[in-house]
Amino acid sequence: EAQVTQNPRYLITVTGKKLTVTCSQNMNHEYMSWYRQDPGLGLRQIYYSMNVEVTDKGDVPEGYKVSRKEKRNFPLILESPSPNQTSLYFCASSLSGRDRGYTFGSGTRLTVV
Amino acid sequence: SQKIEQNSEALNIQEGKTATLTCNYTNYSPAYLQWYRQDPGRGPVFLLLIRENEKEKRKERLKVTFDTTLKQSLFHITASQPADSATYLCALDKNSGYSTLTFGKGTMLLVSP
Repeated sequence: EAQVTQNPRYLITVTGKKLTVTCSQNMNHEYMSWYRQDPGLGLRQIYYSMNVEVTDKGDVPEGYKVSRKEKRNFPLILESPSPNQTSLYFCASSLSGRDRGYTFGSGTRLTVV
Repeated sequence: SQKIEQNSEALNIQEGKTATLTCNYTNYSPAYLQWYRQDPGRGPVFLLLIRENEKEKRKERLKVTFDTTLKQSLFHITASQPADSATYLCALDKNSGYSTLTFGKGTMLLVSP
């Protein structure tokens, strides 16, 4: 089944403890992206990647890192999480970007205490 | 500044009627506009994409229009059903050549039997 898989689904962590949210797609898509979704603010793009080793900042990149060492994987790294990073996170992928629809993962609900 | 505006108030309609949702944008010149459906706590699901040189696109009970002069897209669901109840998001590319989709905050649609 074509899908984007995120893990974990839920995560509660403490301030400052490094964490990684994994994202993997099995559709051989070039483009991948991370979004966070907050009430009243909608979906905001954190980082995106156009291909292996090619990444760029989205609208809210502060406090996040990404890497794209393989085409299928695009992990999101929070080096020192803070409470304002408590959010619902989505990974998405697309065959060729803006002229194709994106497939989203099921989301990761992160709580930083 | 760039804005994507969708009605923040929920749209309530009766089963069988046509639902019409609006997406207005300012200070964008998108080459593509996309519509997604999102159910609570789940990732958005791609529905339709329309290009700037297309006036209208249809898929089953869905119809999207794109007026680049008015800077507006309309999303129609004909013969609506309670199962169509969800939040609908529009998304634009930034026309930068890269995959930078920006989302509106969405409009909730409630279809009552």
